[in-house]
Amino acid sequence: GNSVTQMEGPVTLSEEAFLTINCTYTATGYPSLFWYVQYPGEGLQLLLKATKADDKGSNKGFEATYRKETTSFHLEKGSVQVSDSAVYFCALSDKGDYGGSQGNLIFGKGTKLSVKP
Amino acid sequence: KAGVTQTPRYLIKTRGQQVTLSCSPISGHRSVSWYQQTPGQGLQFLFEYFSETQRNKGNFPGRFSGRQFSNSRSEMNVSTLELGDSALYLCASHYGDEAYNSPLHFGNGTRLTVT
Repeated sequence: GNSVTQMEGPVTLSEEAFLTINCTYTATGYPSLFWYVQYPGEGLQLLLKATKADDKGSNKGFEATYRKETTSFHLEKGSVQVSDSAVYFCALSDKGDYGGSQGNLIFGKGTKLSVKP
Repeated sequence: KAGVTQTPRYLIKTRGQQVTLSCSPISGHRSVSWYQQTPGQGLQFLFEYFSETQRNKGNFPGRFSGRQFSNSRSEMNVSTLELGDSALYLCASHYGDEAYNSPLHFGNGTRLTVT
């Protein structure tokens, strides 16, 4: 079945450090890939997405590239801030060749990021 | 535009009772999905409703059910509550138009505690 594996946390970084959170997936077909972020006490917010191979999603300084050959979608940011402290979730939405329902995402376990000043 | 609204924010119930959670999607969104979030299992998909019909279902027992109304608002019900049902229940909505790959928008969740 489809699955998402992301690196275990927690991850603790100093402000302005480089961030990488690894995410790999297993899926049939051509999934869309997502990164969601959850701040304390809140629901999930879409951070970025990619819908086909070699697409790069980017938002708020975060980037991730859809790598079909390595089935990966690693999240990166060049210089983290204290305000980036949150839990990050990698997710996939299985779909057919011409799009599909995105209501049933499969999530990784989440990676908690703490950024110290 | 108002976001996804879930009520109530917190609930405390006793084993064996039943509970109903409510979700109002973003205006214009026709699809509503429900997820259960626990520290051990993470985020797990419960079900998705689109135009009042369930079109996807996760791997949960029949005690978990839902419905969607003509205005796209959704409710989920859990009967015969068990301690293991304690979780954050998240609702998410999107347009439901497959061709546009609209992203999911999540509410802040309902925290259910079963004692």
